[in-house]
Amino acid sequence: DTGVSQDPRHKITKRGQNVTFRCDPISEHNRLYWYRQTLGQGPEFLTYFQNEAQLEKSRLLSDRFSAERPKGSFSTLEIQRTEQGDSAMYLCASSRGRESNEKLFFGSGTQLSVL
Amino acid sequence: QKEVEQDPGPLSVPEGAIVSLNCTYSNSAFQYFMWYRQYSRKGPELLMYTYSSGNKEDGRFTAQVDKSSKYISLFIRDSQPSDSATYLCAMSPNFGNEKLTFGTGTRLTIIP
Repeated sequence: DTGVSQDPRHKITKRGQNVTFRCDPISEHNRLYWYRQTLGQGPEFLTYFQNEAQLEKSRLLSDRFSAERPKGSFSTLEIQRTEQGDSAMYLCASSRGRESNEKLFFGSGTQLSVL
Repeated sequence: QKEVEQDPGPLSVPEGAIVSLNCTYSNSAFQYFMWYRQYSRKGPELLMYTYSSGNKEDGRFTAQVDKSSKYISLFIRDSQPSDSATYLCAMSPNFGNEKLTFGTGTRLTIIP
């Protein structure tokens, strides 16, 4: 396993700009998850995919957020018209399947700072 | 009130000490319990998981779940400086990894 890869590691943007993050899961992992983590808090679930299908979205994911996983491989998370409250670490994770004993592997995250 | 409560610390203990980390939860639907370790500027890494009351041991780590009290613990024996990290408890109502609810994390430092 080469691990879950996220790009970029850091992103600084001005309020109102759009940003896009990429996640490359471990190959052959069917499930891909996005979480958000703010300073001093645990990760909060945003959304997850089974292959290319987005199965659930959290209420935290406002209309300004959109996630895709074309062809069931890498995933992108786009935030439109960024706000200062969007500043956080965006974590991607993947697993082989849905069972709880299928270990969830997290990437190192994309740290977003909105000025 | 949050569904999962965890003392954020920080917690500092001398090398070799036994460390006790705890979480309480309010949602009785939670059936699956995990502990993650997160080093600075890294993603969380799964340490242990369990889905029943009782103890589960893995090397120097022991996870304990008491569903009647809605209380879970992680014990670290013979603590090492490399154990210095933030420890996050996480829970799920179903037999799957989706929609985990995390605690805030406890920042632990092991003093050599």
